[in-house]
Amino acid sequence: GAGVSQTPSNKVTEKGKYVELRCDPISGHTALYWYRQSLGQGPEFLIYFQGTGAADDSGLPNDRFFAVRPEGSVSTLKIQRTERGDSAVYLCASSLALNTEAFFGQGTRLTVV
Amino acid sequence: KNEVEQSPQNLTAQEGEFITINCSYSVGISALHWLQQHPGGGIVSLFMLSSGKKKHGRLIATINIQEKHSSLHITASHPRDSAVYICAVRFLNKFYFGSGTKLNVKP
Repeated sequence: GAGVSQTPSNKVTEKGKYVELRCDPISGHTALYWYRQSLGQGPEFLIYFQGTGAADDSGLPNDRFFAVRPEGSVSTLKIQRTERGDSAVYLCASSLALNTEAFFGQGTRLTVV
Repeated sequence: KNEVEQSPQNLTAQEGEFITINCSYSVGISALHWLQQHPGGGIVSLFMLSSGKKKHGRLIATINIQEKHSSLHITASHPRDSAVYICAVRFLNKFYFGSGTKLNVKP
């Protein structure tokens, strides 16, 4: 597709389980961003990739959160031992380079019950 | 204090009204984005600005770098414009998001 694709669009999981959220950026985009948006709030930064490397992971809330981008395209956000507070919309965006326009995916709505 | 402040938080308008949403920021800036988020969470990028003014259809976005302020205007508003509008300031590799303005346009 032409845009940023995120899968699944919705995920319900039980507390304590492991989840993976996937982001397919626009082809050729080297920069990839993960954000999460809790109900009623604006999105908050999680991690930024430039190519395959995590250039800035200062927004990851704790060591239960991890993200990879092994080939510099698709990225996976991994959450271990999920907690109810992890429930949010997880957004992915990509851009051609650092200061070019960013395009956002539709998000994955994660609900931890 | 948030790095990006939006006003108003909520806005109700009648169809056809001219709408303005304001954004002020305190961080450095590479570019400013106006985003639209519909119920269900999907985000669409409306504009990316680093100076001046941009227009797309009934939407106009302006930015004043010296005053650290941007506005999003909607002319001849329509119920389908009802959404949350988010201002996002990009500085280097980070976005700083406002908390959004929830717009409801009534027919």
